[in-house]
Order: sequence, then structure tokens, then C-alpha cells
Amino acid sequence: EAGVVQSPRYKIIEKKQPVAFWCNPISGHNTLYWYLQNLGQGPELLIRYENEEAVDDSQLPKDRFSAERLKGVDSTLKIQPAELGDSAVYLCASSLGGSGRKPYNEQFFGPGTRLTVL
Amino acid sequence: GEDVEQSLFLSVREGDSSVINCTYTDSSSTYLYWYKQEPGAGLQLLTYIFSNMDMKQDQRLTVLLNKKDKHLSLRIADTQTGDSAIYFCAESLDSNYQLIWGAGTKLIIKP
Repeated sequence: EAGVVQSPRYKIIEKKQPVAFWCNPISGHNTLYWYLQNLGQGPELLIRYENEEAVDDSQLPKDRFSAERLKGVDSTLKIQPAELGDSAVYLCASSLGGSGRKPYNEQFFGPGTRLTVL
Repeated sequence: GEDVEQSLFLSVREGDSSVINCTYTDSSSTYLYWYKQEPGAGLQLLTYIFSNMDMKQDQRLTVLLNKKDKHLSLRIADTQTGDSAIYFCAESLDSNYQLIWGAGTKLIIKP
């Protein structure tokens, strides 16, 4: 079974430029998460999708960040314009939702995209 | 608010037991988790424990939960070089979708 796929793995941009990250979750996983991870810290949730609906985006800085999950499968996270403080690893994760959900929440993570803003 | 705390580093000798500790603040947590992150790879669920349990054992892994003190630990018996990784503790709130993560403990194995 293929895992969560993310691209690109690394991205270096100059500040004020736009950047986009792509995620393909595990087939059949209805729930998709985007996290931000700074060095030496745990993941911080940016947005959670149930199918194509963003059900928790309270931590997403909406002035510069946007996300979409068209058709409830792949997702894209965009930053425009990027700032120096956005340098971090952006993680995508997915889990079963709805009737297939296990009682515990096992999230499957992609390898992340390491963003460097110069 | 919710908070999960861990020590940042733990160094052990190969073959010894490793004990990674975690404290959390939300008494309504339903599940508590240990995830492992190896270099260049995504986080992977290692084990979990339901909040009404106080111990769970799975091969070399033993999870202990002290709800009174809000303390969770992960013991790895016979630590091997392949256990080198960052270990994250996480608690889930009532909805079980939102996880609160610790900063991770880097396990360093000495030969």
C-alpha cells in the first residue's frame, strides 16, 4: 500500500514569493491534515479536512495561507507571499474517517516538504 | 490550555532500556500516543494507550500511564541502533481528531 506522498521534498524561495505544496493521501482516507513543524518542535495543525470540507482551519494564517482539497482526495497548501518565518517543514497526514474510523486516531504522515525562505 | 512536555534528549547505551517520559495537562484525553520520526521519514505511530488503561506491552515496548499525575512513559527494552529517532508524545482530546503534540525526545544510542 502506498503511503502519503508529498512534493516537493525541498523548496528554497526568496521572501515575498509564492509557494505551493502538494499532498496525495492514502487511498480511502477521508481525513487529511496539514501540519507545520519547526525544528525541535512537534507538529502544529494548520488545517484538517473531512473529504473536501475544511472542518478545522482555526490555526491557518488566512492572510497568506490557503488550502484546497478538490474532490476530497489530493490537497494543495499555498503560501503567498512567503515570509522568512515560514521556513519550516510542512507535513501532510491522513487517517480513516467516518464509518471506517478506528476508535483511536492513527495518522499516517508523509515525509514532509522542507521550506527555506531566504 | 493544553500542553504536552517532553525532555529533548535521551542518551542510552546499546542493549540498555530507554525510558522516555511525557507529561500532559488535559485530563479529558481519550487516547495517548507515541509516534516515532526517523531522519527523512514521516512520523509513524509506534503505540497508543487508552486513557482507562495504566499499562500496555507490545514486544520490546511498554507504555505506562499515570492519570493522577498526567504522566506517560515509553520504555524500550534492549535498545538497538535502529531505535535512534525522535519520539513524540501526543494526546487526543474528546473529539479524538485533534492531537496535541510534545516537542519530541531525540533518542541517542551509544555503542
